[in-house]
Amino acid sequence: SQQGEEDPQALSIQEGENATMNCSYKTSINNLQWYRQNSGRGLVHLILIRSNEREKHSGRLRVTLDTSKKSSSLLITASRAADTASYFCATDGGYSTLTFGKGTMLLVSP
Amino acid sequence: DSGVTQTPKHLITATGQRVTLRCSPRSGDLSVYWYQQSLDQGLQFLIQYYNGEERAKGNILERFSAQQFPDLHSELNLSSLELGDSALYFCASSVVTLGTEAFFGQGTRLTVV
Repeated sequence: SQQGEEDPQALSIQEGENATMNCSYKTSINNLQWYRQNSGRGLVHLILIRSNEREKHSGRLRVTLDTSKKSSSLLITASRAADTASYFCATDGGYSTLTFGKGTMLLVSP
Repeated sequence: DSGVTQTPKHLITATGQRVTLRCSPRSGDLSVYWYQQSLDQGLQFLIQYYNGEERAKGNILERFSAQQFPDLHSELNLSSLELGDSALYFCASSVVTLGTEAFFGQGTRLTVV
């Protein structure tokens, strides 16, 4: 069963715009991670945020974590066509292993 | 290149058959995860091994089994295959069991006909 649920399921934006994706989860976690998947390929780790952190940055990525609401958001600033991919949040904690949501499909048009 | 190697890349087989998917984790990684990805079910966690021992079990069918060998490579065995088993099967590895990033292989695309 899925621990995290991403929202929206799909997002379409223009190059240069910001993209925000949200993740909600059910049980307490040790940390939350975001991954990216290009069509049909393996997932690539983007960023990890620990349960005692509230915000983290990596390049054009900004992740926030609100453990009281059991939610996280991923912001990609100044999107590029190359950012087109599916984005997944993953949690470990309640299920004692790394479980993924169903992902958000991001389409960035030139 | 993540350093995780999965073979084969593609597999086409008939219903009722048995196949074995192989995964070589990144050098130094002790933990191996198996996931199944299909359009309708998303990325489903199947099973995790850590240093040869089963660590966690997810939605793995009884027809499926896995093991991690002393050299840390892992195999996922799928038997009595059904059409619904057609999916992408991913292996991932990480240094420890929790709290660190996982590195994914490119997957094995299984088609059952």
